[in-house]
Amino acid sequence: SQQGEEDPQALSIQEGENATMNCSYKTSINNLQWYRQNSGRGLVHLILIRSNEREKHSGRLRVTLDTSKKSSSLLITASRAADTASYFCATVLTGANSKLTFGKGITLSVRP
Amino acid sequence: EPEVTQTPSHQVTQMGQEVILRCVPISNHLYFYWYRQILGQKVEFLVSFYNNEISEKSEIFDDQFSVERPDGSNFTLKIRSTKLEDSAMYFCASRPGSTYNEQFFGPGTRLTVL
Repeated sequence: SQQGEEDPQALSIQEGENATMNCSYKTSINNLQWYRQNSGRGLVHLILIRSNEREKHSGRLRVTLDTSKKSSSLLITASRAADTASYFCATVLTGANSKLTFGKGITLSVRP
Repeated sequence: EPEVTQTPSHQVTQMGQEVILRCVPISNHLYFYWYRQILGQKVEFLVSFYNNEISEKSEIFDDQFSVERPDGSNFTLKIRSTKLEDSAMYFCASRPGSTYNEQFFGPGTRLTVL
């Protein structure tokens, strides 16, 4: 797998349901970040989790990080139609100059 | 709330022409980046810039590309002789000091090379 590879590639859920998106990576990281991108728009930072952290919360978002499995998950609870977007995980590698390495992204569709 | 701005929002150019994409990062940020996203593909790192010099660049960032911070506010990406495959969305980003800081992205410039 490539650095920062998300699954599933596409997810369709009903409003009010929870959405879980996963990201796997290959090499040691300094931190992992999740971004959202609405169609044709810029990237919006959602949450950052450091390599020594296991879980973080921000509003309806919960991110976990398992460095032994080199994986992270993003949970959006009580989804809304406005959450419809593409979601990307991006890693900052250990020793790297803080550049972000993005995955291909997950397209989330929330049906009203 | 401060934000990264980019101009123009859309640039159409002929193959072989030079283009300059402009960015105004957040004023107290120290690190600046350019990324690009070809339609339907993932976001790719191009170059990072710190202390008035390039700190890292990718394989994509060849001799046709250059960056400049000509004054205290602007950060530009120049493509000297555009190719069809340069068509993409180009994002500028900036961040404060620590590696644990998030990067703040601009809205992007859509470059179309004909």
